[in-house]
Amino acid sequence: NAGVMQNPRHLVRRRGQEARLRCSPMKGHSHVYWYRQLPEEGLKFMVYLQKENIIDESGMPKERFSAEFPKEGPSILRIQQVVRGDSAAYFCASSPLTGEQYFGPGTRLTVT
Amino acid sequence: DQQVKQNSPSLSVQEGRISILNCDYTNSMFDYFLWYKKYPAEGPTFLISISSIKDKNEDGRFTVFLNKSAKHLSLHIVPSQPGDSAVYFCAASRGTYKYIFGTGTRLKVLA
Repeated sequence: NAGVMQNPRHLVRRRGQEARLRCSPMKGHSHVYWYRQLPEEGLKFMVYLQKENIIDESGMPKERFSAEFPKEGPSILRIQQVVRGDSAAYFCASSPLTGEQYFGPGTRLTVT
Repeated sequence: DQQVKQNSPSLSVQEGRISILNCDYTNSMFDYFLWYKKYPAEGPTFLISISSIKDKNEDGRFTVFLNKSAKHLSLHIVPSQPGDSAVYFCAASRGTYKYIFGTGTRLKVLA
């Protein structure tokens, strides 16, 4: 049973470009969460999604960031017009209806 | 405002001894607590959890203790093994999904 999959593992973007991060949850999990980890900090909650629904996006920056979890396909975290401060590790987690969240390996975004 | 704090950035322990990792929180509404372990270049791996109705939960070598009056939880690893060397994060939530993480403690188990 494959775990949570994220791709790409590493992503380099120039300032002003768009970044798209993908997350495929574990089989049987219908809940997806995105977290961001800045250097020397803990993970910070960004958004919680179920299929075709954003349940809680209270941790998302108000501008340039968006997330979706379509009926088919992976969840996408999209960052438009990236800036250097967006450089971080972005982790996706999934869970069943109740239970602990299982994390993917993360995408390390570097903005040059 | 850091609601979950891990005040020790690092800890070294001899193999076979007990490792004790500590975590403090400020929000008395938190009712669910977890510990995750993280190796470099990997995602956090769930270790053990505890709900606020309990004060102890045990799973093999790992035990989590919760002291609600002190708003403190700790993870005990006995006996410690070199493979336990990793960064340990505690997390807390109100309800079950919005985890608030601490900044982590890097554990090094010396052979």
